[in-house]
Amino acid sequence: AQSVSQHNHHVILSEAASLELGCNYSYGGTVNLFWYVQYPGQHLQLLLKYFSGDPLVKGIKGFEAEFIKSKFSFNLRKPSVQWSDTAEYFCASSFRNTGKLIFGQGTTLQVKP
Amino acid sequence: DGGITQSPKYLFRKEGQNVTLSCEQNLNHDAMYWYRQDPGQGLRLIYYSQIVNDFQKGDIAEGYSVSREKKESFPLTVTSAQKNPTAFYLCASSKPISNNEQFFGPGTRLTVL
Repeated sequence: AQSVSQHNHHVILSEAASLELGCNYSYGGTVNLFWYVQYPGQHLQLLLKYFSGDPLVKGIKGFEAEFIKSKFSFNLRKPSVQWSDTAEYFCASSFRNTGKLIFGQGTTLQVKP
Repeated sequence: DGGITQSPKYLFRKEGQNVTLSCEQNLNHDAMYWYRQDPGQGLRLIYYSQIVNDFQKGDIAEGYSVSREKKESFPLTVTSAQKNPTAFYLCASSKPISNNEQFFGPGTRLTVL
């Protein structure tokens, strides 16, 4: 069965530290990849997405992610986190023409001021 | 404003009662989805619908039912057959199936007493 795995369940960082959240997916075919974020009390919203083309994608709020096909990975990065980045982050993959998203378990990021 | 509304935000029910969660969208999206979010498990797909009057089971459909009589609406019924219904329920929608980017509602937290 297709699956998405997020390596870190709970990450605590100080402001200005660099962030990398791991994500691996299991499907070997063509995939679309997403990172969603859920800020406390807010809707789940899209951070960035990869469909095709440049494997380094940039999203909102200074986030970026790199698609590495050989490693089945789509890790999320940010050079310098802020207290406002405290949230839960979800990696997801889908398979073209199915419309279904498979989500990872989520990573809770806590940024200390 | 275009978006997805879910009501109510909090819902309490007694064990053995069916309960229906509302989801409405005015984004003119064809596809709609219901997810269940539990701590440490990410989002799991319950049901999805690609067009009016059609829907498919997701990964955890047992104990749930849906209808899609209108494009804008996709209500979810949590039946008494669902063994562990207490959870956070998220509704989402997307444009035609080839575009997998999903937009999420604010969610309904259901507590069964």
